[in-house]
Amino acid sequence: DAGITQSPRHKVTETGTPVTLRCHQTENHRYMYWYRQDPGHGLRLIHYSYGVKDTDKGEVSDGYSVSRSKTEDFLLTLESATSSQTSVYFCAISEGLTGANVLTFGAGSRLTVL
Amino acid sequence: QQPVQSPQAVILREGEDAVINCSSSKALYSVHWYRQKHGEAPVFLMILLKGGEQKGHDKISASFNEKKQQSSLYLTASQLSYSGTYFCGTGRNTDKLIFGTGTRLQVFP
Repeated sequence: DAGITQSPRHKVTETGTPVTLRCHQTENHRYMYWYRQDPGHGLRLIHYSYGVKDTDKGEVSDGYSVSRSKTEDFLLTLESATSSQTSVYFCAISEGLTGANVLTFGAGSRLTVL
Repeated sequence: QQPVQSPQAVILREGEDAVINCSSSKALYSVHWYRQKHGEAPVFLMILLKGGEQKGHDKISASFNEKKQQSSLYLTASQLSYSGTYFCGTGRNTDKLIFGTGTRLQVFP
């Protein structure tokens, strides 16, 4: 068990408000990822991290920022939430030394922006 | 750029076979396959690396054609438990995976 916890699991917020989703892992894996899942689009990579304070953009990074100040925590922030950011957000960790290894996903965070 | 999966949906009877395809317009280092059941997180099935052999476990196997940048997932003698959405994830380097839009598989008794 990779020990990944996402919080909150469900959140309803209003347009324009800031939102932060947290991903916590217990096994010191180097690589962590944030994906969003929407019908018809599959899983799309938002941002990823390859170490403390080392992050990079994915396919759909506009409107999102991330931070990783500790190995175990990877935060995803929506500075000013919009309705188009209503989605299910999955955090994942790579269980090997590179990102090309098996990904283990968290349970997901369902975000609704009204 | 997301890899393209086909078909988008498959309906099977128990015991039937299915093939799901994944293609990329760019050279690949690796291809992953994941299955997601409704309301759950995606779960790893297998990984194929450039220069590696065809992988498989139980009655699910996959191939990776590096020259064509394509991978196929083969489900043999499908079971009810195979139902779900299958995603291929492609890696052009060792840092990240880009997933396709998914193939929904439904297996009926």
